Amino acid sequence: GNSVTQMEGPVTLSEEAFLTINCTYTATGYPSLFWYVQYPGEGLQLLLKATKADDKGSNKGFEATYRKETTSFHLEKGSVQVSDSAVYFCALSGGTSYGKLTFGQGTILTVHP
Amino acid sequence: GAGVSQTPSNKVTEKGKYVELRCDPISGHTALYWYRQSLGQGPEFLIYFQGTGAADDSGLPNDRFFAVRPEGSVSTLKIQRTERGDSAVYLCASSLTLGSGTDTQYFGPGTRLTVL
Repeated sequence: GNSVTQMEGPVTLSEEAFLTINCTYTATGYPSLFWYVQYPGEGLQLLLKATKADDKGSNKGFEATYRKETTSFHLEKGSVQVSDSAVYFCALSGGTSYGKLTFGQGTILTVHP
Repeated sequence: GAGVSQTPSNKVTEKGKYVELRCDPISGHTALYWYRQSLGQGPEFLIYFQGTGAADDSGLPNDRFFAVRPEGSVSTLKIQRTERGDSAVYLCASSLTLGSGTDTQYFGPGTRLTVL
């Protein structure tokens, strides 16, 4: 079946540092890939997505590129802010899990001033 | 416009009791999903609906769990004979269509269920 593996957390950074959160997946077919974010006290919201190989999703300064050859979708941001502190989830849909999302375990990011 | 809403936001019940959790999707969204999120984990799929019918209920853990969407809008997740292991945040999401898996799912704030 489909699965998503995220780097172990938590991740603690200083403001303006570079961020990478690794995500790899296992799926048959051609899944779509997503990053969702959960800010403190709020619900899950879509951060960015990519629906085919080599697509780059981007939003709010975050980027992730769909790499089929390495089955990866790593999240990056060049300069994090305190307001980026949240839990980040990598997810996929499609392939054999048509429609439903399969999530990674989440990575807690804390950014200090 | 209004997002996905879920009621109640918190539910505390005793072991063995029956509970119902409600989800109001975004107006016009035909696909509706239920997930369960345990502490420190990512959400896990339970069931999804396309219109009134359950398109995939493979994530329901056992026959104590049941969900309905009788008019193709509001959905209710029903849990019978609750157990302490059912304690989690239950999330609902909706999307415009079921499509090919590319449609964005919009999540509600969740219902935190605690079984004592």
